[in-house]
Amino acid sequence: AQTVTQSQPEMSVQEAETVTLSCTYDTSESNYYLFWYKQPPSRQMILVIRQEAYKQQNATENRFSVNFQKAAKSFSLKISDSQLGDTAMYFCAFTGSRGGSEKLVFGKGTKLTVNP
Amino acid sequence: DTAVSQTPKYLVTQMGNDKSIKCEQNLGHDTMYWYKQDSKKFLKIMFSYNNKELIINETVPNRFSPKSPDKAHLNLHINSLELGDSAVYFCASSRGQGAYNEQFFGPGTRLTVL
Repeated sequence: AQTVTQSQPEMSVQEAETVTLSCTYDTSESNYYLFWYKQPPSRQMILVIRQEAYKQQNATENRFSVNFQKAAKSFSLKISDSQLGDTAMYFCAFTGSRGGSEKLVFGKGTKLTVNP
Repeated sequence: DTAVSQTPKYLVTQMGNDKSIKCEQNLGHDTMYWYKQDSKKFLKIMFSYNNKELIINETVPNRFSPKSPDKAHLNLHINSLELGDSAVYFCASSRGQGAYNEQFFGPGTRLTVL
């Protein structure tokens, strides 16, 4: 079974600084997809960034980038130039590519607070 | 326009009651999901449907029964509610099966069982 581990329950960062959220996962599949979701206090789940395992290049979306280390099964999220609106729960998630409707397996989340 | 909508957003009820949560998506997606987020914010899949057919049933008690009248709707009915059912329930949809399809989430329904 796939598992996703986020070892930082809470983190804080000063506005405009950079922060990195950690995520490790376990799977026996060779191809899969990894995601970071953001859940602000509004409760809405928002996809921040995703990475396809067979792509070696790290995904980037504006201020958000990932460091994907397939051999180490690590998928960290870097937020540059942190903004107050980045304050949220961040969930790392995995989905495998073996047939059928793939479920998202989530980590327990990291609560990020951006301080002014 | 709301892509994935859920009603109600808040639901407070007594133990033992039966309640339903409705979900609708206007994205033309084939696949829909229900996730449960517990009090510690942990999210877990409950069910998924593809074109009205049940694909995933993640060892959820029989008191939970999803129903998909058409591929744009996936409702969740819960019988004999228990205290432990208190959670936020999220509906999601994706274009189809397959891990490469992004899942779009609804706003969630906070269920409180007293």
